[in-house]
Amino acid sequence: EDQVTQSPEALRLQEGESSSLNCSYTVSGLRGLFWYRQDPGKGPEFLFTLYSAGEEKEKERLKATLTKKESFLHITAPKPEDSATYLCAVLRNYGGSQGNLIFGKGTKLSVKP
Amino acid sequence: DGGITQSPKYLFRKEGQNVTLSCEQNLNHDAMYWYRQDPGQGLRLIYYSQIVNDFQKGDIAEGYSVSREKKESFPLTVTSAQKNPTAFYLCASSTFRAGGTYNEQFFGPGTRLTVL
Repeated sequence: EDQVTQSPEALRLQEGESSSLNCSYTVSGLRGLFWYRQDPGKGPEFLFTLYSAGEEKEKERLKATLTKKESFLHITAPKPEDSATYLCAVLRNYGGSQGNLIFGKGTKLSVKP
Repeated sequence: DGGITQSPKYLFRKEGQNVTLSCEQNLNHDAMYWYRQDPGQGLRLIYYSQIVNDFQKGDIAEGYSVSREKKESFPLTVTSAQKNPTAFYLCASSTFRAGGTYNEQFFGPGTRLTVL
């Protein structure tokens, strides 16, 4: 069964304290892994797409990496404005379509000044 | 500006009533999706559509219906048969990618439905 698991569920950091969020997945043939940021009461905002093991993407203080079984979202020297829930999703083969995503439950990040 | 719009932002419904949530995109995307988000759970797929006049059930389609008469629009109706409709509803769209897969999905701002 296709599954996406994110850990930890919640993470509290001090401003400037770097850390990583984990996304482990079990799908038959990875076709794409996506990271999103979601603020309370809003729709998810796209951050990164990773398609193959070894791939890395960076954007400001965020860096996403991918292995054959998991992805990491590294946050370097976070600021309070990085506080949000970070969602991981994987493309799956569903109903004959390869365009559907299965989502993890997210990691809620809080960065204290 | 290109993007996805959802309306209304907040919706209140009495038990036994059907309600329709609007989703419009001007990104010229072929595929559109509806998700439901509940506290402590990941997004769950309700319906999806890859082309006009065609749509497929997702993981939790019972009690919902959709239509796709135009490429830009994918409205969702929450029927009285949906037993627990109070949730945050999200619409998304995406494009085909070479190789038979899809690019990232872009999301609208969401509609929060509350059943009174």
